[in-house]
Amino acid sequence: DAGVIQSPRHEVTEMGQEVTLRCKPISGHNSLFWYRQTMMRGLELLIYFNNNVPIDDSGMPEDRFSAKMPNASFSTLKIQPSEPRDSAVYFCASSSQAGPTGELFFGEGSRLTVL
Amino acid sequence: AQSVAQPEDQVNVAEGNPLTVKCTYSVSGNPYLFWYVQYPNRGLQFLLKYITGDNLVKGSYGFEAEFNKSQTSFHLKKPSALVSDSALYFCAVRASSGGYQKVTFGTGTKLQVIP
Repeated sequence: DAGVIQSPRHEVTEMGQEVTLRCKPISGHNSLFWYRQTMMRGLELLIYFNNNVPIDDSGMPEDRFSAKMPNASFSTLKIQPSEPRDSAVYFCASSSQAGPTGELFFGEGSRLTVL
Repeated sequence: AQSVAQPEDQVNVAEGNPLTVKCTYSVSGNPYLFWYVQYPNRGLQFLLKYITGDNLVKGSYGFEAEFNKSQTSFHLKKPSALVSDSALYFCAVRASSGGYQKVTFGTGTKLQVIP
């Protein structure tokens, strides 16, 4: 099993540019999560999809952030325009359709630096 | 609202000694509890979980955790620490009731095992 695959692993961009982060969940997993990790705020849930449908996007910081899951094997997190305070590590995680008992499988993360 | 507390930012232990990383939780209804480990520049990895049954749960790499309902705690333990156990540890809780079960993570505890 290849695990959750995220790309790019590192992204350095300038303020105002568009950033797109990509995620391929584990095959057969129905739940997908996007998290952001910073030293100051720890691990924050941005958005949660179940069966490709956004269920909880209350953690999305503002309109500059958007996430899509067009099919069961692909999701994107887009930031437009990016700002220095968006610098963080963004994780994608997936879980099987086992209700609340299923553990999350995390990707290796995308480290974003906005200059 | 559910919450997780990890009261120690860092735990230092000598190699070969037993280790404990503390976690307390607050949730409506019965909790599902998880421990994850994060090594530098990596994603979180699942260690173990408590769903129901035996209060002592055994997981990966020799770790175990004890669920204590009266104290609302789920402390992570290992009888003999290894230098390779040095990492960031996260406790997480998920409620067993309701249609959407959000995963709430603690702030993390850095474990430093001293040779």
